[in-house]
Amino acid sequence: GDSVTQMEGPVTLSEEAFLTINCTYTATGYPSLFWYVQYPGEGLQLLLKATKADDKGSNKGFEATYRKETTSFHLEKGSVQVSDSAVYFCALLSGGSYIPTFGRGTSLIVHP
Amino acid sequence: GAGVSQSPSNKVTEKGKDVELRCDPISGHTALYWYRQSLGQGLEFLIYFQGNSAPDKSGLPSDRFSAERTGGSVSTLTIQRTQQEDSAVYLCASSLWASGGAGNEQFFGPGTRLTVL
Repeated sequence: GDSVTQMEGPVTLSEEAFLTINCTYTATGYPSLFWYVQYPGEGLQLLLKATKADDKGSNKGFEATYRKETTSFHLEKGSVQVSDSAVYFCALLSGGSYIPTFGRGTSLIVHP
Repeated sequence: GAGVSQSPSNKVTEKGKDVELRCDPISGHTALYWYRQSLGQGLEFLIYFQGNSAPDKSGLPSDRFSAERTGGSVSTLTIQRTQQEDSAVYLCASSLWASGGAGNEQFFGPGTRLTVL
């Protein structure tokens, strides 16, 4: 079945540091890939997505590239801010499925 | 436009009581999902609706849990005879449609925090 593996957290960084959160997946066919972010006390919200190989999703300075050859969708940001502190979830939706598969989430803590 | 709304935002109940959690999806979204998020855990899928029907109830943890959706819109998740292990945040999400491809991203509500004493 489908699965998503994210790096364990928490990830602790200083402001303006470079961020990478790794995400790899197993799926049949060609899934759509997503990153969601959950700020404290809130529901998840879509951060970015990619629907086919080599697509790059980007939003708010975050980027992730759909790498079919390595089955990865790593999240990156060049310079994090304190306001980026949140939990980040990688997810996929296979073409033949109706239920997204989520990773366990990675907590990011950014210190001033 | 309005996003997904959930009510109540917080619910404290006594063990053994029944609770109802409500979700109002984005207008026009045909797919609706319920998830459970326990403290420090990821998302646990509970149930999925396509229109008013629930093709997949596989995630409901026991027969104390049930859900319905009426008019292709509002959904209610009911937990009967609540137990302490039911304490969690219950998240609702909707999407334009459910299958893979563009337009299938989920929009989440803020959640209902359920505490069973």
